[in-house]
Amino acid sequence: SQKIEQNSEALNIQEGKTATLTCNYTNYSPAYLQWYRQDPGRGPVFLLLIRENEKEKRKERLKVTFDTTLKQSLFHITASQPADSATYLCALDNTGGFKTIFGAGTRLFVKA
Amino acid sequence: DAGVTQSPTHLIKTRGQHVTLRCSPISGHKSVSWYQQVLGQGPQFIFQYYEKEERGRGNFPDRFSARQFPNYSSELNVNALLLGDSALYLCASSLVNSGANVLTFGAGSRLTVL
Repeated sequence: SQKIEQNSEALNIQEGKTATLTCNYTNYSPAYLQWYRQDPGRGPVFLLLIRENEKEKRKERLKVTFDTTLKQSLFHITASQPADSATYLCALDNTGGFKTIFGAGTRLFVKA
Repeated sequence: DAGVTQSPTHLIKTRGQHVTLRCSPISGHKSVSWYQQVLGQGPQFIFQYYEKEERGRGNFPDRFSARQFPNYSSELNVNALLLGDSALYLCASSLVNSGANVLTFGAGSRLTVL
C-alpha cells in the first residue's frame, strides 16, 4: 500500500541554523509533492509544491528538493526563527488532482 | 474573501449517535476534501468531491458518508459513532484544474465521542 514516512521524532534546532526535514514514500509515483505547515489546533497551510520533473524549488527561506529515483523529498528552512516552530507535513498527489495523501508530519522546534 | 469555513467547531457525542459536519469552500473552488486527523498523526483522507460527484474515497467504513451541494458546500456524516471516531475533522477546498490538488483547509471540527 502507499506509504509516506516522515521523521517521527521532533527536530530541535537553534535559531539561525538550517532545518532539514525528510519525506520518503513507497508504492507511489506522485506527479506532485507538497509541503504544508500545521500549528496546534489549526488546519494545515500550503507552503510549496514541486513537480515530478523538477529537482528543486525555492520560496524565500524555504527550499524543497524532489528525487523520484530515491523516492524522497527534503524540505529546508534556512535562517530558522522561533516562529518557524510547527509541524510540517509532506503530501503527494497524482495528475488529475484527486486524493492527496499526507505523511504523519515532523514537529520542528526552533530555540532562540 | 472568506476562507474555508467549518461548523461546528467543537462537539461532543456519545457512542452510537450520528453526527453531521458542514463545510463551505472558498469562492470559486469546486472541490471539497474531507480528512480525519487523530492527535499526533497526519490527516487521513476520507473523501473528495468535485462538481457534486465523489472522486476519491479513503479506507474508511461505510458509516462515513458525504455529499456536495450545488453551491459546492459539503456535509460529512458519520453514523453509529465509536470512541475511535474522536478526532479533528478537516475540510479542504481546491480548484482542481487538472494540475496539482493544492488544498486550503478550514480550522476543523473537533469531535469527541464519549
